[in-house]
Amino acid sequence: GENVEQHPSTLSVQEGDSAVIKCTYSDSASNYFPWYKQELGKRPQLIIDIRSNVGEKKDQRIAVTLNKTAKHFSLHITETQPEDSAVYFCAASSSGGYNKLIFGAGTRLAVHP
Amino acid sequence: GAVVSQHPSWVICKSGTSVKIECRSLDFQATTMFWYRQFPKQSLMLMATSNEGSKATYEQGVEKDKFLINHASLTLSTLTVTSAHPEDSSFYICSSPGQITDTQYFGPGTRLTVL
Repeated sequence: GENVEQHPSTLSVQEGDSAVIKCTYSDSASNYFPWYKQELGKRPQLIIDIRSNVGEKKDQRIAVTLNKTAKHFSLHITETQPEDSAVYFCAASSSGGYNKLIFGAGTRLAVHP
Repeated sequence: GAVVSQHPSWVICKSGTSVKIECRSLDFQATTMFWYRQFPKQSLMLMATSNEGSKATYEQGVEKDKFLINHASLTLSTLTVTSAHPEDSSFYICSSPGQITDTQYFGPGTRLTVL
């Protein structure tokens, strides 16, 4: 079935360093790839997304890259700050319709001052 | 952007009782609503997809008679956990795609604790 794998499960960096989270997806028909940030007890918040007709997208310190051939997409956060500490989820659209999303297992990012 | 509200934000109930969670789209018409369950330190697991005016579609392994979903209007979808047990304790979140994009907008979630 459809699957999204996410690595690493935990990531610890020093403030100012970069953080990279990688995901792979199985459904070749997936065409929408959002990234969400979730703080404890809160709803997931969309931080950036990319569609299959684009290879890279950047928004200030956050960037996402997509390799459709390899079915890989990655989140890059530069100049990390303590407030970036949270759980990050990648997702891929499902070909099953209704804009359904399949989520990765999540990455717990800790940014140390 | 589109706003989704959810009520209640938290609920504690006794084992065997039923609990209803409401999810409302405040400034757009939600023809589709997704219901997720999230256990501590885990990902969001899709439980079911509800569509206004029709029966919900449940994911494999989700008991449709235990998790009743109703989507009677374009702004309201409800999830009722029937005969709740402690293992149903979880964070339940709804989401809906916007009218003109595939971006999903999440409700704030409901933390259910079954004693």
